[in-house]
Amino acid sequence: LAKTTQPISMDSYEGQEVNITCSHNNIATNDYITWYQQFPSQGPRFIIQGYKTKVTNEVASLFIPADRKSSTLSLPRVSLSDTAVYYCLVGVLPRYSSASKIIFGSGTRLSIRP
Amino acid sequence: EAGVTQSPTHLIKTRGQQATLRCSPISGHTSVYWYQQALGLGLQFLLWYDEGEERNRGNFPPRFSGRQFPNYSSELNVNALELEDSALYLCASSTDKTPGDQPQHFGDGTRLSIL
Repeated sequence: LAKTTQPISMDSYEGQEVNITCSHNNIATNDYITWYQQFPSQGPRFIIQGYKTKVTNEVASLFIPADRKSSTLSLPRVSLSDTAVYYCLVGVLPRYSSASKIIFGSGTRLSIRP
Repeated sequence: EAGVTQSPTHLIKTRGQQATLRCSPISGHTSVYWYQQALGLGLQFLLWYDEGEERNRGNFPPRFSGRQFPNYSSELNVNALELEDSALYLCASSTDKTPGDQPQHFGDGTRLSIL
């Protein structure tokens, strides 16, 4: 069971790069790592997903070391609108099996200041 | 493309009652997931439906149940409501047949309040 651990909160300033790390020591071979962003009173929104090494899209980068026991979400040049809770998700749901379940991290509350 | 829609937005019940929450997935998505998010806490996986069948469930008692209809929409039913069931219930959908390698798309949830 891939339990995840994230920092509870982080603060940064506009224009800075922010890195949020998620620990998942018991990640299974089939598990992907996905990051979501959630604003108050809204559902989570997909940011980025990866399996190993580095993935980059138009909003973020995801760094995954070779042992895959952690991952780091990198947000370049944050703005006030990036203030939100960020969750990492690790897991695969096999059919009819309790061997692995979707586990969301507890979330990191990111606050961006002017 | 319409996103995942959930209804109702808010639902107020009393202890012992039953609640039904509804979810319409994105067109073309056959998998629907339900999550519970208690106030200030993270998401807890509840149920996964795909092609009309329950494929997996989280660590919740049997009074949490649901179903998926032929059009892939889904209902979550919570019986014998307890105060601690008060939470935001989120529905997500994906095309994923082996959940984990395709992102889930979330609705904005149903806020269930138990008085």
